[in-house]
Amino acid sequence: DAGVTQSPTHLIKTRGQQVTLRCSPKSGHDTVSWYQQALGQGPQFIFQYYEEEERQRGNFPDRFSGHQFPNYSSELNVNALLLGDSALYLCASSWRGREMPTGEQYFGPGTRLTVT
Amino acid sequence: GQSLEQPSEVTAVEGAIVQINCTYQTSGFYGLSWYQQHDGGAPTFLSYNALDGLEETGRFSSFLSRSDSYGYLLLQELQMKDSASYFCAVKDRNQGGKLIFGQGTELSVKP
Repeated sequence: DAGVTQSPTHLIKTRGQQVTLRCSPKSGHDTVSWYQQALGQGPQFIFQYYEEEERQRGNFPDRFSGHQFPNYSSELNVNALLLGDSALYLCASSWRGREMPTGEQYFGPGTRLTVT
Repeated sequence: GQSLEQPSEVTAVEGAIVQINCTYQTSGFYGLSWYQQHDGGAPTFLSYNALDGLEETGRFSSFLSRSDSYGYLLLQELQMKDSASYFCAVKDRNQGGKLIFGQGTELSVKP
């Protein structure tokens, strides 16, 4: 059983460009959350998708958008990249029925985005 | 809003016991989670407390006191492989599945 997978592993972009990151959840999971983790910091919640809709959103500008597909996979899009967007982007999946009482999310290895 | 505080780093020796504390502030506390993250790796779920008391999972235990807005992670029989960052994270009942993470505690286990 594959865990959470993310692609690409690493990415280098230039300021002003756009980027799309991809996530496949663990088998049996229906909910995907995205986090941004700067070096030496804790993950910061970007948003969560369930039933192909954005359910919760953190304090991130509209430049950050996402999508969830019928097979539960998800994409994170970031437009007009800034130097400050350089970070590790983590995807976490969960089964909604279990996540609320247990707080358990499964994280992927992340995509390291560098903006130059 | 929500905030969490945990020590930035802790050092201990192999075989010892270490406690990582976490205090939190949130408007609608639902539960406290703990995650482990090795350098460059994915955070992995360790434990979750929604009620007061101690939860034990092998060498790791987690404690919660809702009245004190405080919890801790206890690691026993420390091994070198336990060197990692440990994050506490709160779930807020007003925020659905959103997890708010602390800044993390870097644990160094020395021989």
